[in-house]
Amino acid sequence: EPEVTQTPSHQVTQMGQEVILRCVPISNHLYFYWYRQILGQKVEFLVSFYNNEISEKSEIFDDQFSVERPDGSNFTLKIRSTKLEDSAMYFCASSVTAGRSLYTEAFFGQGTRLTVV
Amino acid sequence: KQEVTQIPAALSVPEGENLVLNCSFTDSAIYNLQWFRQDPGKGLTSLLLIQSSQREQTSGRLNASLDKSSGRSTLYIAASQPGDSATYLCAVDNYGQNFVFGPGTRLSVLP
Repeated sequence: EPEVTQTPSHQVTQMGQEVILRCVPISNHLYFYWYRQILGQKVEFLVSFYNNEISEKSEIFDDQFSVERPDGSNFTLKIRSTKLEDSAMYFCASSVTAGRSLYTEAFFGQGTRLTVV
Repeated sequence: KQEVTQIPAALSVPEGENLVLNCSFTDSAIYNLQWFRQDPGKGLTSLLLIQSSQREQTSGRLNASLDKSSGRSTLYIAASQPGDSATYLCAVDNYGQNFVFGPGTRLSVLP
């Protein structure tokens, strides 16, 4: 069964360092998303991406964050200068489409646990 | 701004019981509502998606209903099993671009 895959599963980085989280969405999906979950808190939306551009982003997704689809399969989230409060589980998701359709069902990856020390 | 709440926060039941998890949302102008399962330290597994025009969806022992006008959805789990133990998340899609998640209901099914 097709699935969203994320690498690495766990990353430890020093404060101020850049990190890149990688995702391979399901192959026929057109919409891609990043969410995060700080330990013990709700899952929060970061950004959605369609047709090689950001279609929606939250207040959390400030200038320190960027997303890219560098090739036909990968979707990445970059954090330029990590802060302690960026420590969280980051989830990538994808869907066939968006809007009023059953094909908006979002499929999530297993997550990357980012620890900033 | 859409707010999603879930009750109860935690639930512990003996194996075999039928149970209901509740989700409420403040803005009824939604496109879809999706229920997920999350095991500790793991990702989110999609269980059911209900479109705004639908009243319910079924998958195996799971049945999810949606009452958009009252801002409520319920997830019914029949004949619960220890393997159903997990956190169940409700997520609302307002305009097709992102989900707003509830805090989840942590379910323990005791053998």
